[in-house]
Amino acid sequence: QVQLVESGGGVVQPGGSLRLSCAASGFIFSTYGLHWVRQAPGKGLEWVAFIRYDTSNKYYADSVKGRFTISRDNSKNTLYLQMNSLRTEDTAVYFCARDFGGFDIWGQGTMVTVSS
Amino acid sequence: QSALTQPASVSGSPGQSITISCTGTSSDVGGYNYVSWCQQHPDKAPKLILYDVTKRPSGVSNRFSGSKSGNTASLTISGLQAEDEADYYCSSSTASNSWLFGGGTKLTVL
Repeated sequence: QVQLVESGGGVVQPGGSLRLSCAASGFIFSTYGLHWVRQAPGKGLEWVAFIRYDTSNKYYADSVKGRFTISRDNSKNTLYLQMNSLRTEDTAVYFCARDFGGFDIWGQGTMVTVSS
Repeated sequence: QSALTQPASVSGSPGQSITISCTGTSSDVGGYNYVSWCQQHPDKAPKLILYDVTKRPSGVSNRFSGSKSGNTASLTISGLQAEDEADYYCSSSTASNSWLFGGGTKLTVL
């Protein structure tokens, strides 16, 4: 069964850091690009970052550039999102999604709350 | 990186057809055939229902269809069913190595 499972969300103060993980199963992880997408409470979807299957290219939304870092470990079938200098506006559910003709497989999401 | 433009809401009765538009620019929707659509039920993860403008993933009903003209893509749902009530989002890759989503459209089945 093709599956993505996020973890690592929680409550953090403004200026703090958090690392999200996304564990994959049921497909050949090392052959797919992967995205992080977030959704603020009651709001729409916002693309955050993308990493190619071989890590040769990484792209970021302007809103997170310089603060977030996407990475992956193909030996562990895991995608990561290191989030630094967090702001209240980063509060959202964070989804990982596989890239195949769009965002074809999604995880269930992990909630990140940035609040003092 | 402005969001793609979608109507905030649409509605239709069971059995009817509805169309949701998604307007971008020549640097995203108009420039590539990489428009996709996701369906999201409340408190659920999104689900891909169309990709590359017109293609349906395996298992998605053929009641869902897509098209594109210029900078505007469209999702049509025919034979509306109660289970179609959800939020719908378009997305597109862009010329600046990024992806954009639309603001989302809430579909109400009357």
